[in-house]
Amino acid sequence: DAGVIQSPRHEVTEMGQEVTLRCKPISGHDYLFWYRQTMMRGLELLIYFNNNVPIDDSGMPEDRFSAKMPNASFSTLKIQPSEPRDSAVYFCASSLGRVGYTFGSGTRLTVV
Amino acid sequence: AQSVSQHNHHVILSEAASLELGCNYSYGGTVNLFWYVQYPGQHLQLLLKYFSGDPLVKGIKGFEAEFIKSKFSFNLRKPSVQWSDTAEYFCAVNWAGSYQLTFGKGTKLSVIP
Repeated sequence: DAGVIQSPRHEVTEMGQEVTLRCKPISGHDYLFWYRQTMMRGLELLIYFNNNVPIDDSGMPEDRFSAKMPNASFSTLKIQPSEPRDSAVYFCASSLGRVGYTFGSGTRLTVV
Repeated sequence: AQSVSQHNHHVILSEAASLELGCNYSYGGTVNLFWYVQYPGQHLQLLLKYFSGDPLVKGIKGFEAEFIKSKFSFNLRKPSVQWSDTAEYFCAVNWAGSYQLTFGKGTKLSVIP
């Protein structure tokens, strides 16, 4: 099993540009989570899906953030337009029910 | 709102010293409990987890944790740390009826050779 796969590993973009982060969950897992990690706020849950359906997006900071899960093996987190305060490490995780949360390697986003 | 507290922001130990990192969570019914480790520049890796049964849980790399229900605590321990244990440690909780993990702020552990 390749684990949770995220791309890109690093992203540097200019303020105002659109950024798309990608995640491939573990096959068979029915939950997918997007977290953001910063020094100031630690790990924050942004949104999670169950069977490709968004369940709770209350952690999404504002309308500039959107997430989709078009099928069981792919999810995207989009920021448009990006701002310097969006700089963080974004982690995707998947799980089977309430067990087996596995995290991807993360995407380090820098907005300049 | 349900929360997870890790009491120590940064712990510095010499090799072979014993480790205990505190974790408390707010009341909210049945919980699943986790400890994750994050080595510098890397992703979160599961150290151990508690769902039910024996409250003393053994994980990888010689770590263990004890669930004390009356204290809402799930402290992480290791009898003798190594330099390679230098990392950040996160306690996480999943309350019954919820599928998300709520994380503590993390404790950075520095082990001095």
